[in-house]
Amino acid sequence: AQKITQTQPGMFVQEKEAVTLDCTYDTSDPSYGLFWYKQPSSGEMIFLIYQGSYDQQNATEGRYSLNFQKARKSANLVISASQLGDSAMYFCAMTDSGGGTSYGKLTFGQGTILTVHP
Amino acid sequence: AAGVIQSPRHLIKEKRETATLKCYPIPRHDTVYWYQQGPGQDPQFLISFYEKMQSDKGSIPDRFSAQQFSDYHSELNMSSLELGDSALYFCASSLGRPSGANVLTFGAGSRLTVL
Repeated sequence: AQKITQTQPGMFVQEKEAVTLDCTYDTSDPSYGLFWYKQPSSGEMIFLIYQGSYDQQNATEGRYSLNFQKARKSANLVISASQLGDSAMYFCAMTDSGGGTSYGKLTFGQGTILTVHP
Repeated sequence: AAGVIQSPRHLIKEKRETATLKCYPIPRHDTVYWYQQGPGQDPQFLISFYEKMQSDKGSIPDRFSAQQFSDYHSELNMSSLELGDSALYFCASSLGRPSGANVLTFGAGSRLTVL
C-alpha cells in the first residue's frame, strides 16, 4: 500500500523568499508518479508539478521545482520567489503502476497550509 | 480549454435523503475518479471508472454508488445521507494512467452539506 506523509501542517514565508514543503512517501512499486497540487481557499485542486520514479532530472515548472531524492523517498516542493497568491493548501500525492484493474488512482498526503506574508 | 465539469456546485440535503452528483470529464478522457474531502482533510479516493467499467474502489460506503455512462459522464449517487457525508466531492479525469503528460485534472468540486 502507498503512503504519503507531509509533516508540516503549516508553513509561513515572506513574500519573494523561497520555501520548501516536505513530502515523504512509501511504496513497494518500482514504478510510480509523484504530484503536487495546490488548493486555494476557493476549493479547486490545481496541478503544479509531476515527477516520475524513473525520471533522471528533478522536475521544474516555472517557480516550482521538485527536489526528488529517490533513496530517501522524498519529493519536496520548492517554491521560489513566493507571491501572496501562493497562500493555499498544498498536497503531495502519488500514483502507482496500477496492478490488475486499478488504474493509477492518486493517494494524497495530509497537506501543508502555506501562508505568504507581505 | 475544456475542463472537468461538476454539478451541482453546492447541495444542501437533510439526513436520510438522497443526493446525486454529476461529472462531465474532459473530452476524450477515458478515466474518471471520485474523491471525498471532509473539512480539513485530504481527499479520499472513492471509486474510479475506465472506459465505463469500474476500475478501482476505495473507501466508498455501501450507501453510495456510481456509474459511468456511454457519453463518459459519471454520476455519484448517495442515499441515506448522514451528517458525516458533508464534504467536498471532487471528480477528476485523465487520459489513461495519470502522469506528467496525462495530468489528473480535477473539477471544481461539489460541496454537499447534510443537515
